[in-house]
Amino acid sequence: SQTIHQWPATLVQPVGSPLSLECTVEGTSNPNLYWYRQAAGRGLQLLFYSVGIGQISSEVPQNLSASRPQDRQFILSSKKLLLSDSGFYLCASIGRGSRVDTQYFGPGTRLTVL
Amino acid sequence: AQSVAQPEDQVNVAEGNPLTVKCTYSVSGNPYLFWYVQYPNRGLQFLLKYITGDNLVKGSYGFEAEFNKSQTSFHLKKPSALVSDSALYFCAVRDMGQSNTGKLIFGQGTTLQVKP
Repeated sequence: SQTIHQWPATLVQPVGSPLSLECTVEGTSNPNLYWYRQAAGRGLQLLFYSVGIGQISSEVPQNLSASRPQDRQFILSSKKLLLSDSGFYLCASIGRGSRVDTQYFGPGTRLTVL
Repeated sequence: AQSVAQPEDQVNVAEGNPLTVKCTYSVSGNPYLFWYVQYPNRGLQFLLKYITGDNLVKGSYGFEAEFNKSQTSFHLKKPSALVSDSALYFCAVRDMGQSNTGKLIFGQGTTLQVKP
């Protein structure tokens, strides 16, 4: 079964600073990967998804970008953080080569922008 | 448009009583339906899913869900609630318009509070 790692677990950053959050997946190859943001402990907003290396689809226009430099690595970035970027960021993965179509989630990164 | 609704922001139940967390959906075609649970400051954990087959699906931690096509519902149930079941629950449906992407449409979540 696949394991999804995210780091850092928590991050406090000043407004205007850059951001880099990393997600890596073990136990599968060529997964579909997703970045979500969860504000105020409630609904999930899909930010980006990727069906392969270098293939990124953005769901909402915003201050963030994503990259997939390797098969099992997904990075969320920003050049200049805004207060509204605060939230809980979750990475998810659907593994290839299995019958299940289930998204599995990482442990998340809590980002606070001050 | 495809959508998922969880009509209750919060469900309160006493420990030992049965619990139900409601979910209704709107999709074209046959739905792929999922339930996830989230504990505070944690990622989502997969509980169960319906793809095809028996309408009653059994999942982790004693949870089950019943797919009802005529009512377009997929309610989550457990015969006897535990205090440790207290968490945020999400229902989701596969975005069938872009099925090769694996994208999910999530409900807004229901907080389950189980009191001793």
